[in-house]
This record gives sequence, C-alpha cells and structure tokens, in this order.
Amino acid sequence: DADVTQTPRNRITKTGKRIMLECSQTKGHDRMYWYRQDPGLGLRLIYYSFDVKDINKGEISDGYSVSRQAQAKFSLSLESAIPNQTALYFCATSDRGQGYTDTQYFGPGTRLTVL
Amino acid sequence: DQQVKQNSPSLSVQEGRISILNCDYTNSMFDYFLWYKKYPAEGPTFLISISSIKDKNEDGRFTVFLNKSAKHLSLHIVPSQPGDSAVYFCAATGFGNEKLTFGTGTRLTIIP
Repeated sequence: DADVTQTPRNRITKTGKRIMLECSQTKGHDRMYWYRQDPGLGLRLIYYSFDVKDINKGEISDGYSVSRQAQAKFSLSLESAIPNQTALYFCATSDRGQGYTDTQYFGPGTRLTVL
Repeated sequence: DQQVKQNSPSLSVQEGRISILNCDYTNSMFDYFLWYKKYPAEGPTFLISISSIKDKNEDGRFTVFLNKSAKHLSLHIVPSQPGDSAVYFCAATGFGNEKLTFGTGTRLTIIP
C-alpha cells in the first residue's frame, strides 16, 4: 500500500465550484505539504503544516485553503475554482528535520481541470 | 523570482552515455540541495542530496557536484539507462528554512 495517498486522482470541475483534494499518509510524519505543478514552473508550495495545530502559507496560497484534520490527513480546498487553478497537485510529507527539512515523500498527484 | 533555475527543459542522451543535468541558484542562504526524479502519473521521488560542506556526493550511477562560488550544481548519471527517462527536479533549502524551493525541471530522455 502507498505511504502517501491522494484522492481523487483526476477531477474535472467548472468555474466557481468548491473542490476539496484529500491527502492521507501512513508514514507517521508530522509535516505535510501541498504543491502544484505547472508546465515550465516546476513545483510551487501552496501550504504546509508542521503539526496538527500549525498551518502556514506557501508562495502561492491565494485562492486556496487547507485543513489538517489529524496527523495523517491534510486536505486542500479551492473555495471557488477558476481556470488558472488547472494543474497537477501533489501532497508530500516529511519527518522532523534537524534544522533542515527532511526528505519529502510525495503522493501520486491529483490532476485538476477547471473549465 | 525564480531562485532555483534549470535552464534546459529537455535533454536527450544515448543509452550508455553520460547524462548531465544542471541547476543554478541565486539565494546565498541555500546550503542543502536535493534532486528528485518524477515518472509520469507518479509523484516525485528523492534521488540524491548534497550539503554545502561537500562538493561531490555519489550514489551508484548518480553523482551530484556542487560549485558554491558559481551557485551551480549538476547531476551526472553514468551510464544512462532507459529507466532513467523521467523529469528531474533540483531543490534547495537552507538551515532553519525547513521548506524546499524547486527548480522548473528537466525532462531527460534516454535513447536506446
């Protein structure tokens, strides 16, 4: 079984709809991250959480919100989806580092299309 | 402001030859660097890393070189194999930062 799972794997939605992407992990890691990947732009950090009570904005958080429901679950919401949020979304986890971020483990991704 | 740059979007290499993927960074606070590999329909997976106290780190066919003065790192794959065909991302971080900044990726194609 995969250590980091994401649901759904693919989603097509319409402009203005609310969408939630979910991430679960069985690695026992404290830290969880949401990234989006766009062609030519690489991976950009949306939000990250170092424990259940800690939520932080990344470099492109506008238009997104997150919820850390438990150590193992971190969900990303688009309150009102727009076409430029069409992208590949990745969840990642890591253990607590010693001043550095530890190796991050990624889920398989969710391909989101907003029409 | 792209702090980590991979200027080659794609690279094709003959099987058995050396693949060299390059990465440049601008933030002088970065002192730990990683390479991730990504296959289609999968998430990125960690490949190799290097700390700024070193200028070279090897792991089997993969070697990462770091030139701090030039703010440049490179990943060498020798010999290249068809299974190495993937997108490679370099990433950087600094002590106390605890987040990764990723480059834009290079798509490597190994030609049999």
